[in-house]
Amino acid sequence: GQNIDQPTEMTATEGAIVQINCTYQTSGFNGLFWYQQHAGEAPTFLSYNVLDGLEEKGRFSSFLSRSKGYSYLLLKELQMKDSASYLCAVGINTGGFKTIFGAGTRLFVKA
Amino acid sequence: GAVVSQHPSRVICKSGTSVKIECRSLDFQATTMFWYRQFPKQSLMLMATSNEGSKATYEQGVEKDKFLINHASLTLSTLTVTSAHPEDSSFYICSARTGGAEQPQHFGDGTRLSIL
Repeated sequence: GQNIDQPTEMTATEGAIVQINCTYQTSGFNGLFWYQQHAGEAPTFLSYNVLDGLEEKGRFSSFLSRSKGYSYLLLKELQMKDSASYLCAVGINTGGFKTIFGAGTRLFVKA
Repeated sequence: GAVVSQHPSRVICKSGTSVKIECRSLDFQATTMFWYRQFPKQSLMLMATSNEGSKATYEQGVEKDKFLINHASLTLSTLTVTSAHPEDSSFYICSARTGGAEQPQHFGDGTRLSIL
């Protein structure tokens, strides 16, 4: 079956760096997405990785290792507004393209 | 760019009512639209995938006759929850994508459905 694991909650301090890990076991892997979702709102796209390595985009970076079924999202210079859920999502192709979402990691940024 | 509009944002209605939710891509043509359901503190659960002009592909366990999906144009998809019951109360979110699977999904703001 398709499975995505990520920590349920994390807490970090304003100005610090936090790494949110994601492991997956899927068939038909077709890329990995990270989305941010504030409470009661829709997810917003953060990053997409399909090749191994690190993709940097401002304060956010995302890493992928396809051989290990592993990704992480790195948030630098944390701000209070970064408090949100971060969803790891895997694109799969099993006769049709779709995206499977992890349960999300709720990040609390404290002063 | 890449704005998806979803209406209504909140619906409260009596059991047995049918509810229609609209999802529109405002500034792009969506080759594929997705409908998700999300329970509190849980993941987005894909209900169905729809491509313009063709029948929706439903995920296992999702009742086609209960959740009617119409994707009449490249900018509009609708989800109708027929004869809704309290257990259908949830947060429903649509998303739209243009191009291939490597493209991100752009999400609507969601519809919070409460069935009394």
